[in-house]
Amino acid sequence: NAGVTQTPKFRVLKTGQSMTLLCAQDMNHEYMYWYRQDPGMGLRLIHYSVGEGTTAKGEVPDGYNVSRLKKQNFLLGLESAAPSQTSVYFCASMTINTYEQYFGPGTRLTVT
Amino acid sequence: GIQVEQSPPDLILQEGANSTLRCNFSDSVNNLQWFHQNPWGQLINLFYIPSGTKQNGRLSATTVATERYSLLYISSSQTTDSGVYFCAVEAMVGYQLTFGKGTKLSVIP
Repeated sequence: NAGVTQTPKFRVLKTGQSMTLLCAQDMNHEYMYWYRQDPGMGLRLIHYSVGEGTTAKGEVPDGYNVSRLKKQNFLLGLESAAPSQTSVYFCASMTINTYEQYFGPGTRLTVT
Repeated sequence: GIQVEQSPPDLILQEGANSTLRCNFSDSVNNLQWFHQNPWGQLINLFYIPSGTKQNGRLSATTVATERYSLLYISSSQTTDSGVYFCAVEAMVGYQLTFGKGTKLSVIP
């Protein structure tokens, strides 16, 4: 099993550009999450999904959109990137059988 | 929302020493997890422990839910234990984990 994978690993955007981050999990987990991590901070939840076709806002959703068209994939979109969105983005998945979250390796995004 | 405070923020240990990390939270929780983020940024789940005590090798954790705190014990520390340890909790309503700011542990040879 690959676990949780994220694409891409690194990206540099100019202000105003758009991009999509892809998260994939092969553990058949019901729940998936997108977090951002900024220096000296813990992780903050952006959006999450409790099942295919469902999404919900987390603590810091502004400027981001998400979609979960397939159970194994969770996409995070930035429509118009801003320097404040420079961060490391982590995806996670969880099954309600164990309530343990498993994290991807992260995507380092820089917006100039 | 629920508040999570971790202490100490930074900790430096000599290899072989023991340590205790603390996590206080402000409300009742359904879920509490401890994570280790290694120096390369990878987050690893250590324990799911909303209450009680668990042990895994040199690491153990105890959560006293009625008093709203959890402790992570690291015994005989090794340099590979270095990194940031996060506590994260889920309030009684919702599916969201709220993370503390972490304890940065440095184990020196």
